[in-house]
Amino acid sequence: QKEVEQNSGPLSVPEGAIASLNCTYSDRGSQSFFWYRQYSGKSPELIMSIYSNGDKEDGRFTAQLNKASQYVSLLIRDSQPSDSATYLCAVRSSERFGAGTRLTVKP
Amino acid sequence: DTGVSQDPRHKITKRGQNVTFRCDPISEHNRLYWYRQTLGQGPEFLTYFQNEAQLEKSRLLSDRFSAERPKGSFSTLEIQRTEQGDSAMYLCASSFPGQGGYEQYFGPGTRLTVT
Repeated sequence: QKEVEQNSGPLSVPEGAIASLNCTYSDRGSQSFFWYRQYSGKSPELIMSIYSNGDKEDGRFTAQLNKASQYVSLLIRDSQPSDSATYLCAVRSSERFGAGTRLTVKP
Repeated sequence: DTGVSQDPRHKITKRGQNVTFRCDPISEHNRLYWYRQTLGQGPEFLTYFQNEAQLEKSRLLSDRFSAERPKGSFSTLEIQRTEQGDSAMYLCASSFPGQGGYEQYFGPGTRLTVT
C-alpha cells in the first residue's frame, strides 16, 4: 500500500462546477496535510494546509480532514479554466506526496 | 526576489559523469528538502536538512547520491556516475515551523537529462 494515495483521475469538470479531489494516507501519526497545485512544466505551489479535523476554507478552496478515516480532500468551487493543473496531496509526517490528480476545467 | 532558487535550471550530461546541483532557500527557512520528480508522478522524497544537519535520507537513495548543507544556508546535491534512470526534475524546497506544521515552498527545479 502506498503511503499517500490520490484518486487517479484525470478529472474533468465544466467551468463553474465543483471539483472534488481526494487523498488517503497510511500513517496514523500524520499531523500535517497540504495541497499543492502544479502546472505543467512548473514546480508545485502550496495552496492549502490543514492540521485539524474538519473543514478549512480559503476563497474558492475548501480542505477537509478526517483523521479517523485517514482521509483528506480538496474542493474547488466555481471551477475556472485556470484551475486546470495537477493537484498533489502531501502528508508531512514523512514528507510524502501522492502521485497527483490531473484536473481539467472545460470552458 | 526572495524565493527558493536552483542552479542550473537544465543540465544535460553523459552517462557516467558526475553532476552537482545547488539550492538557495528562502533566507529565514531552517529546513531544506530535495525531491526528484518524473513525468506523471508526484515528487519523490530524497532527503532533508534542518539547519546543517541531515535528518532523513530516503532508503531508496543510492550511494551515488549525496547532499550537503555545510553552513545551514545553501545546499548541494551531487549525483555520481549518472545513469539514464537519473533523468528527472530535481526539486528543492524550504520551510519554517508554522502553525501546526512546515509549509514547503519549492524552487523552479533542475531538469537533468542523462544521455
